[in-house]
Amino acid sequence: DPKIIQKPKYLVAVTGSEKILICEQYLGHNAMYWYRQSAKKPLEFMFSYSYQKLMDNQTASSRFQPQSSKKNHLDLQITALKPDDSATYFCASSQDRVNTEVFFGKGTRLTVV
Amino acid sequence: GDSVTQTEGPVTVSESESLIINCTYSATSIAYPNLFWYVRYPGEGLQLLLKVITAGQKGSSRGFEATYNKETTSFHLQKASVQESDSAVYYCALGEGNYAQGLTFGLGTRVSVFP
Repeated sequence: DPKIIQKPKYLVAVTGSEKILICEQYLGHNAMYWYRQSAKKPLEFMFSYSYQKLMDNQTASSRFQPQSSKKNHLDLQITALKPDDSATYFCASSQDRVNTEVFFGKGTRLTVV
Repeated sequence: GDSVTQTEGPVTVSESESLIINCTYSATSIAYPNLFWYVRYPGEGLQLLLKVITAGQKGSSRGFEATYNKETTSFHLQKASVQESDSAVYYCALGEGNYAQGLTFGLGTRVSVFP
């Protein structure tokens, strides 16, 4: 059974619209992350949360806003979508932020048309 | 910034043949990076294959091995005899000691093993 659930698996959005990517983890972890992989580019770290608090933000654009309503949830809201936002977005988690293994979800593939 | 360069895929090998995926890194902001290999099997999320946190040491898992070479800034992944189930995308990555903060990944190398 998947321990990190990402919804939806695929998402098509219109330029200028807003979408929310859902992530839930059932590993009992305290730290959660978002990564992104665009075509022909490496996986790119975006955010880290620990105990529902933002710890690291490597995303320049404020259009990307993580939302943590529960300890095991970390959704990603993306506003004013652009075609360049097309990518696979991976949610990840680890027991804590210090020296622990990072587990990844299967990803949400977002296409902005 | 930090970066990771790995063998460009796709790589196609026959079952029981050997496999090597090259990985070199540049860690400008981390004095002693930790090095990782992640694997993504079809339909699955990324999972940690092996990690090495000390230069000169070797990590191994599922028949794969990688040695942390600080002199050549390399962390090549090798397997002596691959199986069809090794078909996957392999990612080399580096991070700080507190590696949960944010890993720097390579592009990934897609490996297809044919019977």
